[in-house]
Amino acid sequence: NAGVMQNPRHLVRRRGQEARLRCSPMKGHSHVYWYRQLPEEGLKFMVYLQKENIIDESGMPKERFSAEFPKEGPSILRIQQVVRGDSAAYFCASSLENVPSGNEQFFGPGTRLTVL
Amino acid sequence: DAKTTQPPSMDCAEGRAANLPCNHSTISGNEYVYWYRQIHSQGPQYIIHGLKNNETNEMASLIITEDRKSSTLILPHATLRDTAVYYCIVRAYGGATNKLIFGTGTLLAVQP
Repeated sequence: NAGVMQNPRHLVRRRGQEARLRCSPMKGHSHVYWYRQLPEEGLKFMVYLQKENIIDESGMPKERFSAEFPKEGPSILRIQQVVRGDSAAYFCASSLENVPSGNEQFFGPGTRLTVL
Repeated sequence: DAKTTQPPSMDCAEGRAANLPCNHSTISGNEYVYWYRQIHSQGPQYIIHGLKNNETNEMASLIITEDRKSSTLILPHATLRDTAVYYCIVRAYGGATNKLIFGTGTLLAVQP
């Protein structure tokens, strides 16, 4: 069973461009989470999605960031008009639905975004 | 979610047991204790979780005190590859969100 897949692993963008980060959850997982890790800082929750629904976006910046998890295909984290402060590692995690003992999350390898 | 307190760093000799403590004195009855680790530049890795009973899996053991206000993660035979930041997270199951709130964790350095 393949783990959580993220691509690209490294992404370089110039200021003002758009960044699209993709996440394919583990097989059978219908819950997806995005976290961001700024340089020398801890992991911060961004958004939690189920298929076609955003459940919790309390950690998402108010502007330029959006996320989706369509019925078919990977989850996408989209950053419009990137700025240097967006440079970070973005991690995706997935979990099973309705696991009685708690939804342990399995993380992907991350996408490292560098904004020039 | 309850706040956790962990020492910022610990050393352990290779082959010895690593015992990582975590205080969660404000834990509620429906909150689980989770442990994750992050090896440098990699995605976090789930290790183990528990509610009130001690738990063991192929990676580690989790010892939770009877009053549930603290716990210890035990890596029975630490190797160099266990050098990582270890996060203790307390979280309720279910509810409106399943987000993990990561603190600063404990940097475990396994020495040869």
